[in-house]
Amino acid sequence: DGGITQSPKYLFRKEGQNVTLSCEQNLNHDAMYWYRQDPGQGLRLIYYSQIVNDFQKGDIAEGYSVSREKKESFPLTVTSAQKNPTAFYLCASSFDSSYSNQPQHFGDGTRLSIL
Amino acid sequence: AQKITQTQPGMFVQEKEAVTLDCTYDTSDQSYGLFWYKQPSSGEMIFLIYQGSYDEQNATEGRYSLNFQKARKSANLVISASQLGDSAMYFCAMREGPVMKTSYDKVIFGPGTSLSVIP
Repeated sequence: DGGITQSPKYLFRKEGQNVTLSCEQNLNHDAMYWYRQDPGQGLRLIYYSQIVNDFQKGDIAEGYSVSREKKESFPLTVTSAQKNPTAFYLCASSFDSSYSNQPQHFGDGTRLSIL
Repeated sequence: AQKITQTQPGMFVQEKEAVTLDCTYDTSDQSYGLFWYKQPSSGEMIFLIYQGSYDEQNATEGRYSLNFQKARKSANLVISASQLGDSAMYFCAMREGPVMKTSYDKVIFGPGTSLSVIP
């Protein structure tokens, strides 16, 4: 079945540690996104990528980094510079983002907590 | 600036009744898409329904329908015959984007409405 796979489901980070969240899709989507969701709130965009080897900062990119070496994969690294990383992280993908009628498809999310 | 407003933080509905979740949006673009997503307590975001700004008819998808009033910039979600499994957070989202737009057309999400279905 086609879909988006995020791993791990739960992740714990120690002080000063970088951690990487995985996101893989087999939907042949061009665009991929990372969102952060804090309890009781909506989604905030961290980074997005429309094509391989290209990505753009979203609204809250500070303390995060991404790469897009393959169409299927868009890993997110939460660096030690992100002082408040505890949140629910959602990865999404869609067909060409220049079309407004394309819905985003989401993974099941990763819950990140500080130890 | 783009903005999505969902004025109902929490809603209750009796099982088998219909419920309307409000969404208003703000955009200066003529071409845009409106989406509703459901987020159960498990966390995944499930796409429910889409309405295009040029669509003349309201979108329907099973028990979900969208009451689209373009002049009022509102896109309310109607869930008919509510079921216990409908209890979840519901997010309204908007995506601008005519073809050939070179810059990223951001998807904006509203703050969400928590729906609880009462047996």
